[in-house]
Amino acid sequence: GAVVSQHPSWVICKSGTSVKIECRSLDFQATTMFWYRQFPKKSLMLMATSNEGSKATYEQGVEKDKFLINHASLTLSTLTVTSAHPEDSSFYICSARDLPSGSKDTQYFGPGTRLTVL
Amino acid sequence: DQQVKQNSPSLSVQEGRISILNCDYTNSMFDYFLWYKKYPAEGPTFLISISSIKDKNEDGRFTVFLNKSAKHLSLHIVPSQPGDSAVYFCAASEGEKLTFGTGTRLTIIP
Repeated sequence: GAVVSQHPSWVICKSGTSVKIECRSLDFQATTMFWYRQFPKKSLMLMATSNEGSKATYEQGVEKDKFLINHASLTLSTLTVTSAHPEDSSFYICSARDLPSGSKDTQYFGPGTRLTVL
Repeated sequence: DQQVKQNSPSLSVQEGRISILNCDYTNSMFDYFLWYKKYPAEGPTFLISISSIKDKNEDGRFTVFLNKSAKHLSLHIVPSQPGDSAVYFCAASEGEKLTFGTGTRLTIIP
């Protein structure tokens, strides 16, 4: 089956620093990648949709200047949390979608990245 | 505004019995529904899905039922096995965007 990896799996940083999270599709090309955020005991909230070679589409309420998304290739998308603050601490999950011909089922999730901002 | 709701945060079921997980939604524009299973510190894995033009889809031990008029779907697992213990999320799709419910933690009691 399709595999999506995320790196790092967890990160602790100081307030005010920036953190980059990578999402890679390992054995397929992903024209579309999604970034989600999950608060404790809450659902996964879609933050943004990124398409290879174009700007990401952000959901309402998500600051695009704070959460920078770059989908530079068909196998890699990065999320950079800029000037992180404690309220940015969360579990960030990416997913990657197979080529456009894929069905709606073909959205594969990474293992997630736990971010803790001190 | 929670468009997809799972009102039971947890459920315990005896091994071998049927597990029924429920999900309600409010957006009538959703046209595809999915169930995901999630273990701690892992991403969700796809289980089963159903299109809005159907009312039932079955795959092995898993069956999803959709009641469009009630805006309700359910996941039946039978027989339940210890390995089914996990958090289950329902999700609804409008276009390529998925909206997730809050999850139900299923515990299968041996």
